[in-house]
Amino acid sequence: NAGVTQTPKFRILKIGQSMTLQCTQDMNHNYMYWYRQDPGMGLKLIYYSVGAGITDKGEVPNGYNVSRSTTEDFPLRLELAAPSQTSVYFCASSTPETPLHFGNGTRLTVT
Amino acid sequence: AQSVTQPDIHITVSEGASLELRCNYSYGATPYLFWYVQSPGQGLQLLLKYFSGDTLVQGIKGFEAEFKRSQSSFNLRKPSVHWSDAAEYFCAVGGGSNYKLTFGKGTLLTVNP
Repeated sequence: NAGVTQTPKFRILKIGQSMTLQCTQDMNHNYMYWYRQDPGMGLKLIYYSVGAGITDKGEVPNGYNVSRSTTEDFPLRLELAAPSQTSVYFCASSTPETPLHFGNGTRLTVT
Repeated sequence: AQSVTQPDIHITVSEGASLELRCNYSYGATPYLFWYVQSPGQGLQLLLKYFSGDTLVQGIKGFEAEFKRSQSSFNLRKPSVHWSDAAEYFCAVGGGSNYKLTFGKGTLLTVNP
């Protein structure tokens, strides 16, 4: 029972590079979310999805893109990495009846 | 807009002492409320949730929280803290059809032996 799996666990990017943070869940949850966590700031919602083919912006979407082609997968794309995107990224999934279930996070450093 | 305030950035308690972590929220309708705990380098684990009904909610690891609508609060309590409770605690509020959660900035708990 894997739950929510995020890869990679750690990554260092140079400014201007691009990358995709992977997130997959095996609980058949319709809702999926991407949050970023910065020290002392709690978690901020980047993007979310209520089902395959449906995505919407959260509180801090600038610089990011998402897609949801399947129920299981919700990748987060950074096109032109900037130092301000240095953060820990958490993917989560849920249903209307169950609370958010989080992955273990991806720690990203942009230098 | 929904929001959460956790007034205490850092709390230190002695092992065996009681604990109360404060959470105040702002939400336009009846909220769903949550407490999550995060150990260093880990993801967030759900401690307890309030959807409706009884305003005193029991969670895992001996934690409980009380929903007080009149005070817009959802404080987390534990009668006797264990050293393994040292972690960061996040309160969150949400609801509606898309179930988006807004998190507070967290309270870091240190437990002294």
